Amino acid sequence: EAGVAQSPRYKIIEKRQSVAFWCNPISGHATLYWYQQILGQGPKLLIQFQNNGVVDDSQLPKDRFSAERLKGVDSTLKIQPAKLEDSAVYLCASSLVRGREQYFGPGTRLTVT
Amino acid sequence: AQSVTQLGSHVSVSEGALVLLRCNYSSSVPPYLFWYVQYPNQGLQLLLKYTSAATLVKGINGFEAEFKKSETSFHLTKPSAHMSDAAEYFCAVSPQTGANNLFFGTGTRLTVIP
Repeated sequence: EAGVAQSPRYKIIEKRQSVAFWCNPISGHATLYWYQQILGQGPKLLIQFQNNGVVDDSQLPKDRFSAERLKGVDSTLKIQPAKLEDSAVYLCASSLVRGREQYFGPGTRLTVT
Repeated sequence: AQSVTQLGSHVSVSEGALVLLRCNYSSSVPPYLFWYVQYPNQGLQLLLKYTSAATLVKGINGFEAEFKKSETSFHLTKPSAHMSDAAEYFCAVSPQTGANNLFFGTGTRLTVIP
């Protein structure tokens, strides 16, 4: 069974630029999560999708962050414009259904200069 | 509100010694509890989870954890550390109902000394 795929693995941008991350969950997993992990901290949930609908985006900075999962499969997280404090690892996870075990991808390490 | 506290951001043990990583949770209702491991430049991997069945939970790679409601704790242990156990360990809590979101602690970096 293929795991959660994420790309790119690394990205370096200048502040005020835009960036997008892609995630392909495990086949058949209805629930998809995006987390932000700042160096030295635990992951923090940004947004949770159930199929193509948003379940929880209360921690998503909506003035600059957006995410979509149009067909209920893969998902894109965008930051526009990026700030220095957005430097972090962005992790995608999926679960078969809500409340079940979450499987994590390798993450995208973003550096904003 | 759900939260976890991991005591000790860094723990060092000798190879073959007992591993003890501490986690205390705060929750108004009984939660689900998890331990994840993260190796450098990799995502998180589930070690074990407590979902209100047996209070002593056995996981992968010889790790286990005990849920103690009276102490609001879910400490992770392994009888004998191996060099390959060196990694970052995260405790997480999730409510049993609602969105089931995971709330992570700040992590404990385990170093194994040969």
